[in-house]
Amino acid sequence: DGGITQSPKYLFRKEGQNVTLSCEQNLNHDAMYWYRQDPGQGLRLIYYSQIVNDFQKGDIAEGYSVSREKKESFPLTVTSAQKNPTAFYLCASRGLLGGNNEQFFGPGTRLTVL
Amino acid sequence: AQSVSQHNHHVILSEAASLELGCNYSYGGTVNLFWYVQYPGQHLQLLLKYFSGDPLVKGIKGFEAEFIKSKFSFNLRKPSVQWSDTAEYFCAVSDTDKLIFGTGTRLQVFP
Repeated sequence: DGGITQSPKYLFRKEGQNVTLSCEQNLNHDAMYWYRQDPGQGLRLIYYSQIVNDFQKGDIAEGYSVSREKKESFPLTVTSAQKNPTAFYLCASRGLLGGNNEQFFGPGTRLTVL
Repeated sequence: AQSVSQHNHHVILSEAASLELGCNYSYGGTVNLFWYVQYPGQHLQLLLKYFSGDPLVKGIKGFEAEFIKSKFSFNLRKPSVQWSDTAEYFCAVSDTDKLIFGTGTRLQVFP
């Protein structure tokens, strides 16, 4: 099955710990994205990457870091510098060939920091 | 920078009622517009999209949206909702290589 997988579905961490969220896609998409979803705020872009070994900050990048060592993978690290890390995190990907392509989303990871 | 406004935060309807959810974006030029839906416990998925051509766009599950350039709007409509349409709906507009999302509208449909 082609798609985007995120693991784990639920994640609990103690305050002050870094945590890494996984995102893998087998759609052969070039671009990948990380969003944060909070009630009443929609989806806000954290980081995105259009090519391996390159990524750009989104609107709320502070306290987060990413890497893009492989086309299929775009892990997100929530660092201890993120002031309010408890949220639902969504990963998405998009094919860039052919233009005008929509983003496809993974099932999300709900992070709770205790 | 581009921004998106969804005016209805929470909509409650009875089955068979008609639905219209508002979406406005901040500036013109060439835009690509999207409506995504998030059913309870499911992935965010695409309902419909507009890139060019006919401003009335048909999507899945009987949804449609109309792009009105002069009003910077892309409202979502469905003539007769069902209980299974209960979900959160997000409007989005492209901004170069990113998508800008609205804050979402929570739709509850009662039998």
